Amino acid sequence: QKEVEQDPGPLSVPEGAIVSLNCTYSNSAFQYFMWYRQYSRKGPELLMYTYSSGNKEDGRFTAQVDKSSKYISLFIRDSQPSDSATYLCATRTGANSKLTFGKGITLSVRP
Amino acid sequence: GAGVSQTPSNKVTEKGKYVELRCDPISGHTALYWYRQSLGQGPEFLIYFQGTGAADDSGLPNDRFFAVRPEGSVSTLKIQRTERGDSAVYLCASSQAGGSSYEQYFGPGTRLTVT
Repeated sequence: QKEVEQDPGPLSVPEGAIVSLNCTYSNSAFQYFMWYRQYSRKGPELLMYTYSSGNKEDGRFTAQVDKSSKYISLFIRDSQPSDSATYLCATRTGANSKLTFGKGITLSVRP
Repeated sequence: GAGVSQTPSNKVTEKGKYVELRCDPISGHTALYWYRQSLGQGPEFLIYFQGTGAADDSGLPNDRFFAVRPEGSVSTLKIQRTERGDSAVYLCASSQAGGSSYEQYFGPGTRLTVT
């Protein structure tokens, strides 16, 4: 079993839809939780960052972490074609430690 | 400012050859990471440098892989006797130790193809 499991894709939604992306993890030592966005042939770009449990909102994006159930979510409101990309959840134990990524899910937002 | 840069962007090599991949981190970033991303997968950790020393090399798959960072800035990932299974995108990231979020900034990657 991988340390971080991510819902399989791909996912295709119409423009304006609410998108929900989810991951689960197994290691209780994970303290930092991130969502990265990766466009084709580019490096991952940090979207959202959360320390421990709770919600964090940034514009159309909301990240949720539930440490009791080891569940990580990203919600995208009013999705746009420019949101079409691969979304990767990631975790780490300490401030300078390695990132452990999920497999990634490819999202396509249809105009 | 300039982001993380990686060279070459693409590298095609024959099985059994030696390759070097270079990473130039963001100026002032003391932490540097190498990851490998296979097709359809998330990046997998290889090695982490804090300054000049390797703080964690637990992700290196075998002794054919080696990385250095002699002056605490540019890093080189070296792969000996390449195998077809080494084909992947090799990503480098850097972060500023002591920053508020320790965010890792990624470069565009080097796409390695072993024929």
